[in-house]
Order: sequence, then structure tokens, then C-alpha cells
Amino acid sequence: KAGVTQTPRYLIKTRGQQVTLSCSPISGHRSVSWYQQTPGQGLQFLFEYFSETQRNKGNFPGRFSGRQFSNSRSEMNVSTLELGDSALYLCASSMDISYNEQFFGPGTRLTVL
Amino acid sequence: SQKIEQNSEALNIQEGKTATLTCNYTNYSPAYLQWYRQDPGRGPVFLLLIRENEKEKRKERLKVTFDTTLKQSLFHITASQPADSATYLCALDPSGGSYIPTFGRGTSLIVHP
Repeated sequence: KAGVTQTPRYLIKTRGQQVTLSCSPISGHRSVSWYQQTPGQGLQFLFEYFSETQRNKGNFPGRFSGRQFSNSRSEMNVSTLELGDSALYLCASSMDISYNEQFFGPGTRLTVL
Repeated sequence: SQKIEQNSEALNIQEGKTATLTCNYTNYSPAYLQWYRQDPGRGPVFLLLIRENEKEKRKERLKVTFDTTLKQSLFHITASQPADSATYLCALDPSGGSYIPTFGRGTSLIVHP
């Protein structure tokens, strides 16, 4: 069974631009969560989608948004990029909403210049 | 406020010894606690989940304990090997219907041959 895939793996943007990251969950998984990981803050929860609906949201500004498609694939978007948005963005999928076991993708390394 | 603490200092041990990592939390009532392993540049990998009504859980060379009175989980790796060198993260899912998991910053384990 293929694991969670994320594209692109690396991205360089400049301040003020926007970016869209993509995540394909493990086949059969309906829950997709997004996390931001930085050395200073660690792994922080962004949001979680289940059956195309955002079910939970972390404490991030509205510049961070996401969506999930009918095939469970998910995208997250960050608008008006700031230097502090430089981070590893991780996507995780699970069978259901209860986070019993999450499978993480390799992440997208975003650098904002 | 809710807080998770993992030892920020790296744990250095000799091959064959037992590694013990600590996860302490405050102002939480977690329904369960998870441990993940993360290698540099990669997403976390799920290792073990222990529920609030369980005291101990084992999987091969891994053992996790969960003391809700002390608000602490211990993660043990017996007969450690250099391949066990990685960062280990604990994650808590608070009870009460909030499915937003919170991760600790992780502890780096270095096993010397």
C-alpha cells in the first residue's frame, strides 16, 4: 500500500506570494491533517479534514486554509507569505477522525525569502 | 495553559542499554498518548498508542507507560541499537471531544556503538 505523498517536496517563495501544497493520503483513509513543524515551535496542528469537511482547526491565522476533495486528497494554501512561514509542512492521514494512528508524509519544506 | 514537556537535551546511551524517554504534561486530561519516531528530513512515524485506562503497552523492544496521576509517560527502548537513533515525539489527544492533538518538541536519542 502506497504511503502518504506530498508535493512538492521543496519550495522557495518570496514574501507576499501565496503557495499551495498537496497531499495524497493512504488509500482508504478519509481523515487528513496538516501540521507545521519549525525548530522553535515544534509540530503544530493546522487543521483536519474528514469527508471534505474541516472538522478541527488549530490556532493559525486565516492566511492558512485548506480543502479536501471527494477522493480524500487535500490541499493547503498559505496566502501573503511571511518569513515566519518557513517550515516543514506535514500531512498525515488516518482511517477515521479519532487520530488513533496517523501516517505522515515526508513533508514539504517551504522557504520564504 | 496546556503544556507538554520532553527533555530538550539529547539522550546519549551505549548500544545494548535501555533508553528511557520522558513525556510530562500539565493542564491536560488526555484520552490517549502516542509516541512517534522522526528521522531528519522525514515525517514522524507512529510507534505506539496508549489509552488513559492502560498502564503499560509493549511492542517488540518498545514499552510505554502512562501514569495519569503523575501526568507522565515513559518510553523505553530495550537492547538499543544505533539504528534507534532518532528524535522521539510524544503526542496527546485531550479528552472531551477536542480532537486536536498536541505534540511535544521531541527528545533526540543517540545510541553509540
